[in-house]
Amino acid sequence: AQKITQTQPGMFVQEKEAVTLDCTYDTSDPSYGLFWYKQPSSGEMIFLIYQGSYDQQNATEGRYSLNFQKARKSANLVISASQLGDSAMYFCAMREGNEGYDYKLSFGAGTTVTVRA
Amino acid sequence: DAGVTQSPTHLIKTRGQQVTLRCSPKSGHDTVSWYQQALGQGPQFIFQYYEEEERQRGNFPDRFSGHQFPNYSSELNVNALLLGDSALYLCASRYRGSTGELFFGEGSRLTVL
Repeated sequence: AQKITQTQPGMFVQEKEAVTLDCTYDTSDPSYGLFWYKQPSSGEMIFLIYQGSYDQQNATEGRYSLNFQKARKSANLVISASQLGDSAMYFCAMREGNEGYDYKLSFGAGTTVTVRA
Repeated sequence: DAGVTQSPTHLIKTRGQQVTLRCSPKSGHDTVSWYQQALGQGPQFIFQYYEEEERQRGNFPDRFSGHQFPNYSSELNVNALLLGDSALYLCASRYRGSTGELFFGEGSRLTVL
């Protein structure tokens, strides 16, 4: 079964506007972590933001915020004030198990974001 | 501070050949993992190394093998290449006791003809 679901294959957003990228996840492990990565055409996966399952507040990192709804098992990424350089593929990923131990990330299929001037 | 570095960046092989990809982790990191990313898809976990041992493995055949050296660098070897092995191979590193963030390299793009 798919552990991470990203239902938006592609999105267009106007420069300076906000955009929300959807991510739902499936796990029975009470301890998990959710990540968002950006992948420009160069190929490198750039870490954006992290949310632990026990974190009480939604994570924020600059223009990125994570809307964590635990009961609905969703972890949507919000990019505020979009810039042309935000055009890239965005991946949601999940770590199951405790931090600091051996684990793997399960990735979604990704969402392509194109920012228009 | 150098991040995760991978080599080569691009390579072309033919079916049946063998390939070795290399990864140097970010300074201070001791755990290396490898991911395969086919075109248009999300990365898939291959395996993870810590203390020169394979700690976890994804659903990949034995043709995929790896190694971690005492300086924490790592190699990914793929034998008997198939057309379906064409992909971007990403190396990621972390400090095992960290909060969990994985740092990725830019990848090695393998094309099998």
